[in-house]
Amino acid sequence: EPEVTQTPSHQVTQMGQEVILRCVPISNHLYFYWYRQILGQKVEFLVSFYNNEISEKSEIFDDQFSVERPDGSNFTLKIRSTKLEDSAMYFCASSESRGEETQYFGPGTRLLVL
Amino acid sequence: AQSVTQLDSHVSVSEGTPVLLRCNYSSSYSPSLFWYVQHPNKGLQLLLKYTSAATLVKGINGFEAEFKKSETSFHLTKPSAHMSDAAEYFCVVSAPSNDYKLSFGAGTTVTVRA
Repeated sequence: EPEVTQTPSHQVTQMGQEVILRCVPISNHLYFYWYRQILGQKVEFLVSFYNNEISEKSEIFDDQFSVERPDGSNFTLKIRSTKLEDSAMYFCASSESRGEETQYFGPGTRLLVL
Repeated sequence: AQSVTQLDSHVSVSEGTPVLLRCNYSSSYSPSLFWYVQHPNKGLQLLLKYTSAATLVKGINGFEAEFKKSETSFHLTKPSAHMSDAAEYFCVVSAPSNDYKLSFGAGTTVTVRA
């Protein structure tokens, strides 16, 4: 069964460094998403992406964040200058379309900012 | 606005006994409702979803959930717990009024005693 994959599974970085989290969505899916879960808190929506542009973003997704689909398979989340409060589990998801379509999630990348 | 409340942060059951995970939602429009499960070091896996068809929804691994509009609830049940059901469970809502962004509950951790 096709699945969403994410790399790395864990990332440790120093405050102020740039990180890139990578995701490979399911191949025939057109909509891509990033969510995050800070330890002990709810999973929160960050951004959705369709047709090579952001379709929706949350208040969390400020100028430090960016997303890109650099080729036909990868979908990346970049944090330009990490802060301590960026430490979280980051989930990528994809769906065939919007609306009632199911979003399929990857296993997550656990990011720790020191 | 939409939101989800999972009424139990932790549920412990004996193997072979029923499991009940409670979820209440609020949504200003007809919502889609989902239950996802996350096993340790795995991604979020869809258990089942409700999208305005039958109110009793059957999912994978023997789970089912009933949508009750009058009670704004979407409780998840399984008649007989198995050791492999130990995981974290998330109730999730999405609606067109919120651009189909997923809103997660805080999660319920299920432990299964032998």
